[in-house]
Amino acid sequence: DTAVSQTPKYLVTQMGNDKSIKCEQNLGHDTMYWYKQDSKKFLKIMFSYNNKELIINETVPNRFSPKSPDKAHLNLHINSLELGDSAVYFCASSQEGGYGNTEAFFGQGTRLTVV
Amino acid sequence: QKEVEQDPGPLSVPEGAIVSLNCTYSNSAFQYFMWYRQYSRKGPELLMYTYSSGNKEDGRFTAQVDKSSKYISLFIRDSQPSDSATYLCAWTSGGSYIPTFGRGTSLIVHP
Repeated sequence: DTAVSQTPKYLVTQMGNDKSIKCEQNLGHDTMYWYKQDSKKFLKIMFSYNNKELIINETVPNRFSPKSPDKAHLNLHINSLELGDSAVYFCASSQEGGYGNTEAFFGQGTRLTVV
Repeated sequence: QKEVEQDPGPLSVPEGAIVSLNCTYSNSAFQYFMWYRQYSRKGPELLMYTYSSGNKEDGRFTAQVDKSSKYISLFIRDSQPSDSATYLCAWTSGGSYIPTFGRGTSLIVHP
């Protein structure tokens, strides 16, 4: 069984379009995240939700809007796509292990290419 | 100065070699340290985590933290071609349990 699944796996779209990426986890975790990995493999946190509530919103353009209908789902909607949005977007989930240690489980990534 | 420095590589070694991967950090507030492994076109997966200074061993992998020098390392013994991947150091700080990642080191183990 897939623990964290995201769709689609690949997304090619034109500049200016609006697109969504969906994420679901079946681990029963309270926290979900979106990370962006650029062409140099730098993995940077974008958003974090805990029990459907936004707890982290890093410096991300407001064209990016996360939505969490329930704690098992965290979707990412992107408006007016730009060339610089091309990257791999990873969804992840975790359950706090106490004292700040935790294991984040990642999906397989969505490779977004804006042309 | 960046908070964490990690050499992106690539690091190319022959099968059976001992591999040393390293990160240096500047923020004393860092608490937990982790190593994630990421295969090509896959999501990262946790290899090891550690809190205190010293060594932690798991099979062929040893994680080492030196908080006085602000230096973390991952050693891989008897490296295998299947170890070829990007290795990312990660940490949490300030009571947060949300991991922040270094830039990753690409490792290639050739037969």
